[in-house]
Amino acid sequence: ETGVTQSPTHLIKTRGQQVTLRCSSQSGHNTVSWYQQALGQGPQFIFQYYREEENGRGNFPPRFSGLQFPNYSSELNVNALELDDSALYLCASRSNAGGTGELFFGEGSRLTVL
Amino acid sequence: RKEVEQDPGPFNVPEGATVAFNCTYSNSASQSFFWYRQDCRKEPKLLMSVYSSGNEDGRFTAQLNRASQYISLLIRDSKLSDSATYLCVVNGAGRRALTFGSGTRLQVQP
Repeated sequence: ETGVTQSPTHLIKTRGQQVTLRCSSQSGHNTVSWYQQALGQGPQFIFQYYREEENGRGNFPPRFSGLQFPNYSSELNVNALELDDSALYLCASRSNAGGTGELFFGEGSRLTVL
Repeated sequence: RKEVEQDPGPFNVPEGATVAFNCTYSNSASQSFFWYRQDCRKEPKLLMSVYSSGNEDGRFTAQLNRASQYISLLIRDSKLSDSATYLCVVNGAGRRALTFGSGTRLQVQP
């Protein structure tokens, strides 16, 4: 086990709703990033948080937002859900924010938007 | 053009076979390279980092060709347990994100 935990594991929402996904990083890791993985695709980078601040963002609209807390846990919020938001959302932690080194992934939250 | 491109497969091979995957990347400034493994409906896990000099870990060998901007993974003596999707991953200089390919699916058959 990686020590990265995510909740909920599965959820179903309807278009226009909002969702919050949660992640607890591995002990000692101060950097958390979020990825979206659509079926049959590789994970796509959403954003990264380091010491409670966003320090990198991928090509996702502003309705994707996040937070990191003092204990380094994190939330991903998605507003105005669209059908294409249906995906596996993966949280990953690492021990440095510089972009190198291994990512440790949680098992993901599988979101279905109807 | 995608930043990281892989043949999606599937590669169907018998146990004991040797199989090779290639991956190309578009950002010539990329600094770090990895292969991750993802089992069905599970999270990706690091298989191995890829170094310029090439590196080996048991039955797995990774190579990097910076001039041609491609990365390879060789699996020798395939096991049933090697069946998974193999993700090629690149990290650009100064970039905080890892860029994943879409993955190559391997199915090892008895």
